[in-house]
Amino acid sequence: AQSVTQPDIHITVSEGASLELRCNYSYGATPYLFWYVQSPGQGLQLLLKYFSGDTLVQGIKGFEAEFKRSQSSFNLRKPSVHWSDAAEYFCAVDFSNSGYALNFGKGTSLLVTP
Amino acid sequence: GAVVSQHPSWVICKSGTSVKIECRSLDFQATTMFWYRQFPKQSLMLMATSNEGSKATYEQGVEKDKFLINHASLTLSTLTVTSAHPEDSSFYICSAPSGTSGLNEQFFGPGTRLTVL
Repeated sequence: AQSVTQPDIHITVSEGASLELRCNYSYGATPYLFWYVQSPGQGLQLLLKYFSGDTLVQGIKGFEAEFKRSQSSFNLRKPSVHWSDAAEYFCAVDFSNSGYALNFGKGTSLLVTP
Repeated sequence: GAVVSQHPSWVICKSGTSVKIECRSLDFQATTMFWYRQFPKQSLMLMATSNEGSKATYEQGVEKDKFLINHASLTLSTLTVTSAHPEDSSFYICSAPSGTSGLNEQFFGPGTRLTVL
């Protein structure tokens, strides 16, 4: 069955420290992959996406993600976290590769400490 | 990029009343739109696929008579929560695909927060 897993429900990092949020999917082929961020009470903002090609994807706000086919993973990284990065992060997958609805992971809540 | 709007951004209603939420694609046409529901501190769950000119497709467990979807034009889909009850209180988000060369991606509206008293 197709699924999206974000293993970490909560993550706490110190401001200035590096960040990695994990995302794994279960699927026989390579889907379209996305990371979104949601601030409290707000809508979704797209951070970055992967369709094909270079497996290291650069996004907005200094985020990047690496697609690893062998691990069925699409982990999100940032070298130095800012307090404003505190939010909910969702990994999402388009298993249809055609613009159909997205399957979302359960989300990872990021807390940034001073 | 493509822009999707929702109206209203928030609504409070009494139990038993119906509420209509609009989703518009502002600068592109969308034959398909999607409606999601998000409970507090939870993920987005797909409720239904809205199809222009035909009936909506509902996900398993979603009551079609409760959540009426109408895709009246290529830029507008509406979700009506009928006879709303407090358990229907949630954050409702719509999306529409857009793109070129087959590389469609979803563009999300800002969401509508429904509170049923």
